[in-house]
Amino acid sequence: GNSVTQMEGPVTLSEEAFLTINCTYTATGYPSLFWYVQYPGEGLQLLLKATKADDKGSNKGFEATYRKETTSFHLEKGSVQVSDSAVYFCALGESNDYKLSFGAGTTVTVRA
Amino acid sequence: SQTIHQWPATLVQPVGSPLSLECTVEGTSNPNLYWYRQAAGRGLQLLFYSVGIGQISSEVPQNLSASRPQDRQFILSSKKLLLSDSGFYLCAWSVLGGQGFFYEQYFGPGTRLTVT
Repeated sequence: GNSVTQMEGPVTLSEEAFLTINCTYTATGYPSLFWYVQYPGEGLQLLLKATKADDKGSNKGFEATYRKETTSFHLEKGSVQVSDSAVYFCALGESNDYKLSFGAGTTVTVRA
Repeated sequence: SQTIHQWPATLVQPVGSPLSLECTVEGTSNPNLYWYRQAAGRGLQLLFYSVGIGQISSEVPQNLSASRPQDRQFILSSKKLLLSDSGFYLCAWSVLGGQGFFYEQYFGPGTRLTVT
């Protein structure tokens, strides 16, 4: 079956630091990959996505590249802000299925 | 543009009481609809999903049920709540995809349920 493994948090950073959240996956076919962000007390927001190998998704300064050879989709941001404090979820969906497989989530706290 | 609504935003209910949470989507037709639960400090658990009116698939056996009486309305219910039903309930929708492509899901603002 499909599964997603994320680096465990919590992660605490200073403002303007570099952020990386590792995500690896197991899939039977050719999945689409997603990063979602959840701010405190809110629902999940789609942050970025990639639908095929070597695609790079980007949004709000965040980037992630779909690496089929390493089955990874690591999230990166070069300079974080306090407003980036949130829980980040990596997720996978396959074309022959209706469901997303989510990672456990990584809590990121950015200090001023 | 599409919008997803959930209500109520927060709910405090005693053990053994009934539950009804509602989710509606605007701006799209025939969406896939989903109910998730997020326990405190935990990840997301898919509870139910629906690919059409009256079509409900259950992922986890429990005392919850779901219904889809209209194309863009999804309801989560329980006849008798348990303490373990406390959590953050999220509704989501996605485009009904075709073969060879998986469409992203869009989430509502959630309902915070506390069972006392």
